[in-house]
Amino acid sequence: DAGVIQSPRHEVTEMGQEVTLRCKPISGHDYLFWYRQTMMRGLELLIYFNNNVPIDDSGMPEDRFSAKMPNASFSTLKIQPSEPRDSAVYFCASSLDSYGYTFGSGTRLTVV
Amino acid sequence: TQLLEQSPQFLSIQEGENLTVYCNSSSVFSSLQWYRQEPGEGPVLLVTVVTGGEVKKLKRLTFQFGDARKDSSLHITAAQPGDTGLYLCAGAGDAGGTSYGKLTFGQGTILTVHP
Repeated sequence: DAGVIQSPRHEVTEMGQEVTLRCKPISGHDYLFWYRQTMMRGLELLIYFNNNVPIDDSGMPEDRFSAKMPNASFSTLKIQPSEPRDSAVYFCASSLDSYGYTFGSGTRLTVV
Repeated sequence: TQLLEQSPQFLSIQEGENLTVYCNSSSVFSSLQWYRQEPGEGPVLLVTVVTGGEVKKLKRLTFQFGDARKDSSLHITAAQPGDTGLYLCAGAGDAGGTSYGKLTFGQGTILTVHP
């Protein structure tokens, strides 16, 4: 298995632009998570899905953030409009249960 | 809100030394996991502990889950430069079994092992 695949690896965009991050989870994993990592706040859970259904989106910072999981093999995290404070590394992770996540390599987002 | 506090935040040691990283919370977790993260990559799962008092060994790494399932420790024996990285603890679920799939991460411990 190729693991959790995220794209792009790096994204540089101007403030106000729309940004879409993509994730392909490991086949068969029922849970999918989106995390954001910064030096100041560490790893923060944004949203997670179980069987493609959003379960907890309480970590989504504001309405500018949205996430979808149209099928078991694909999820997107969209920021519209983007702001400089959104700059961070965004991770997608998938798991069979709560006993261990597999993380992707992350997308480093820079909003200038 | 469940919080996990890790200590120390930074650890810089010489090759061959032993070290212990602590992870503490006032909340009970159904399981606790340890991850290691290298620059430019995502965290990689090292171990999951489930039972209070459980001890697991992974080569030179020893993981312990507290009896009350609120805290954990990671001990590394004879550290090597290859152990350098960010170590993260993460708690899953709660005593009531809710939030089953959700992990809460500690802030991490940055370990540097000098040759």
